[in-house]
Amino acid sequence: GNSVTQMEGPVTLSEEAFLTINCTYTATGYPSLFWYVQYPGEGLQLLLKATKADDKGSNKGFEATYRKETTSFHLEKGSVQVSDSAVYFCALPRGNNAGNMLTFGGGTRLMVKP
Amino acid sequence: DSGVTQTPKHLITATGQRVTLRCSPRSGDLSVYWYQQSLDQGLQFLIQYYNGEERAKGNILERFSAQQFPDLHSELNLSSLELGDSALYFCASSRSGLAKNEQFFGPGTRLTVL
Repeated sequence: GNSVTQMEGPVTLSEEAFLTINCTYTATGYPSLFWYVQYPGEGLQLLLKATKADDKGSNKGFEATYRKETTSFHLEKGSVQVSDSAVYFCALPRGNNAGNMLTFGGGTRLMVKP
Repeated sequence: DSGVTQTPKHLITATGQRVTLRCSPRSGDLSVYWYQQSLDQGLQFLIQYYNGEERAKGNILERFSAQQFPDLHSELNLSSLELGDSALYFCASSRSGLAKNEQFFGPGTRLTVL
């Protein structure tokens, strides 16, 4: 089935620094790609998604572009804030069959210091 | 607030016991997914239901079972609990079972087995 690999953390940045979290995938066809965020003590929230190649998902200043040439979906933000401190998960559907379970990367913890 | 509710928020029990975790999906969502998040295994898909029927199974132990009721809420039953079952259990829901539909996660139930 499909799989995803993301960079290990933790990533520690100062406020207003540029963020990149790498995510690469292996998939049959062109499945939708997702970034989820988990704030301390909370569940997962969908951050952004892209449903086809070359799509750019964006939300709250975060962006990710679905690149089929490099099978990547890297997460970027131009200027991080302390409130962005969280764990970020790249995800995609495990397979193209009827079941639509997500397979997740290992998560990348981001810590932003004032 | 994702619209997905889970109860209880915390559960502390002893080895060998049985517990039931409950999930109510977002209004209108037909598909429910259960995931387990642990430090060593990360986020793993357990099982999916769609409109009352099992749709897909992941890494779910035989000691675990689930069902989705006519009102679409779901329960995850964990029996003969072991220390290693201690984890966060998330429920997610989506409008249908299509791969392009994002999943909305509940806040999770933290299970501690002593």
